[in-house]
This record gives sequence, C-alpha cells and structure tokens, in this order.
Amino acid sequence: EIVLTQSPGTLSLSPGERATLSCRVSQSVDSSYLAWYQQKPGQAPRLLIYGASSRATGIPDRFSGSGSGTDFTLTISRLEPEDFAVYYCQLYGSPWTFGQGTKVEIK
Amino acid sequence: QITLKESGPTVVKPTQTLTLTCTFSGFSLSTNGVGVGWLRQPPGKALEWLALIYWDDDKRFSPSLKSRLTVTKDTSKNQVVLTMTNMDPVDTATYYCAHRRLDIYGFDMWGQGTMVTVSS
Repeated sequence: EIVLTQSPGTLSLSPGERATLSCRVSQSVDSSYLAWYQQKPGQAPRLLIYGASSRATGIPDRFSGSGSGTDFTLTISRLEPEDFAVYYCQLYGSPWTFGQGTKVEIK
Repeated sequence: QITLKESGPTVVKPTQTLTLTCTFSGFSLSTNGVGVGWLRQPPGKALEWLALIYWDDDKRFSPSLKSRLTVTKDTSKNQVVLTMTNMDPVDTATYYCAHRRLDIYGFDMWGQGTMVTVSS
C-alpha cells in the first residue's frame, strides 16, 4: 500500500509569510492523482488543488501546487488569517490514501 | 449548487450495524461521470476513505474495511446509503459523504459530516 508522508507536522508562521508544505509518496505516482485539502476546526475538508497543480473552483491564486513522482508541494504565497488550518494531501488509488496532515498555526 | 448532508445515529453499540444516509442536491447520480464517496475522521486524526459508488453502480471499497461495508444508491431520492457492520469503539469518528467527478481525482464537495460514537 502506498504511504503519504507530510512534513512538517506543524508549521508556525506569521500572516504575510510564505508557507511550504511537503507530501512525499512511498512510490512514484501519476501527478494527476494527487490532491490537497484544507480543513478548519469543526469543518469538512475543502478541495484546494487537484492534479498536483490545478486550483479547484474558487480557490485563491495564493495557493499553488507542484511536484511529480514522489515529491509534491503545496505553497501558500502570503498567509492570510483564514489560511491557518490543517492541510492534507490525498492520492487516488485503491485505496484512496491521505497523509497525516500539516497544521499551519499562527506564530 | 452542490450540497450533501449526512444523517444517521449519533451513538451505536459495539457489534451493531451502522447505517448512514447521504442526501444530496445539485447533481444526479445517474449522470455520467459522477460518484459519491464516504470518508471518516476519528477525533484528532487524519482522514480515511471508506467507499465510493458511481453513476453506473460501480462500487469501490477500502480493502481493509471491505468485508464490513455496503453502499447503495437511490437516484430517485438523491440518496446514497452506507452500512458498516460489527461496529467497534475504534470506528468512532466523523463520517463524511462527498461528491466526485471522474475528471478530478479528488472530492470537490463535502457534506458537513456526522459524528458517530461507538459505545455500550
């Protein structure tokens, strides 16, 4: 089974700073299959990025995704107050698999 | 506008069967390329995918839970039903249903989730 490892576990940053989140996959995958979600406390996840780099409908352009093979990155160019949340990467497959999450917290 | 909402019991006893219903609007599960998935999240933990049912009645299940899961759809009612047998306290989680379209390898719309506690 493919494993997704996200790092760091927690990222402490200030509003306006750049956030770089990593998702490492245990074997090389088609980048089409990689997605990113944002989840705030008490809320359902929200799809941010699919196909490793395509923004979902209504997602601001400060969110960007990149990567291929086994290494994928979610970048938030300038953190807004509403961006402090937990972020998950997800891989399509059998089974669909999620990483353990990265918490972006206010420093 | 796509919306989904989960409903079902908030507490089940160990060994009982859980039945959850996802009622949706804004799309039809008879439309080519559409699917509805079930996922869950134990308190403070990561997301876990459980099952998916597609417009053509193709069904996919998490291999680790396949023996305990059933998923059905009622297109006339715009509902998808998940059943999970032999519930255990480790199954305590928030359960979500979510929309999927075949051209996106992700879930683009989610229900609000329903918390299920397994306790005697």
